[in-house]
Amino acid sequence: GAVVSQHPSRVICKSGTSVKIECRSLDFQATTMFWYRQFPKQSLMLMATSNEGSKATYEQGVEKDKFLINHASLTLSTLTVTSAHPEDSSFYICSARYTSGGVSSTDTQYFGPGTRLTVL
Amino acid sequence: AQSVAQPEDQVNVAEGNPLTVKCTYSVSGNPYLFWYVQYPNRGLQFLLKYITGDNLVKGSYGFEAEFNKSQTSFHLKKPSALVSDSALYFCAVSSSSNTGKLIFGQGTTLQVKP
Repeated sequence: GAVVSQHPSRVICKSGTSVKIECRSLDFQATTMFWYRQFPKQSLMLMATSNEGSKATYEQGVEKDKFLINHASLTLSTLTVTSAHPEDSSFYICSARYTSGGVSSTDTQYFGPGTRLTVL
Repeated sequence: AQSVAQPEDQVNVAEGNPLTVKCTYSVSGNPYLFWYVQYPNRGLQFLLKYITGDNLVKGSYGFEAEFNKSQTSFHLKKPSALVSDSALYFCAVSSSSNTGKLIFGQGTTLQVKP
């Protein structure tokens, strides 16, 4: 259980185009999903918190107009990198927060396999 | 402010020997502590967590971690390392007072040599 998928796993695009990345919780419902960015050999940087049915909460320094997040259902969140540029090339990872009946002991984030974005 | 420190960039052990990956934390409120493992070009896999209760937590693949409140530490351990344990390990913390956001340490690369 607690499986999270991401699609695509790898994408190469031209500068100026937009790219959409999907994050799905396959066997549980997630009211909250998170989007991270990871540079080579570095830790994960939280970009935003995606809440089902409401606007995402962005971390300081993350451009909300550039990284559009939509959490349309309890099992799907999408990250769209708009007008991508080479500096947006990175490994993007999502996670879904699993909680059961509000019991804090089950509060765990499960991560997707990541999406490697390369902008030429 | 919440923070996590993993003081070692890399840990090298021989196969069959015990391993320890260190983690210390700083958080307001009660800490929720996690260990994740990442293989190259992959997402993070959940290993174990401490929320409350027994200070020694057992997780996946034979890993365990000990919560030490006085030392604000949550070191990851395994009695006998395998070559396949070689990966990047992240310690993370959240608190009971936030919205589930995790703060990650910088990661420790574990290298197990045959």
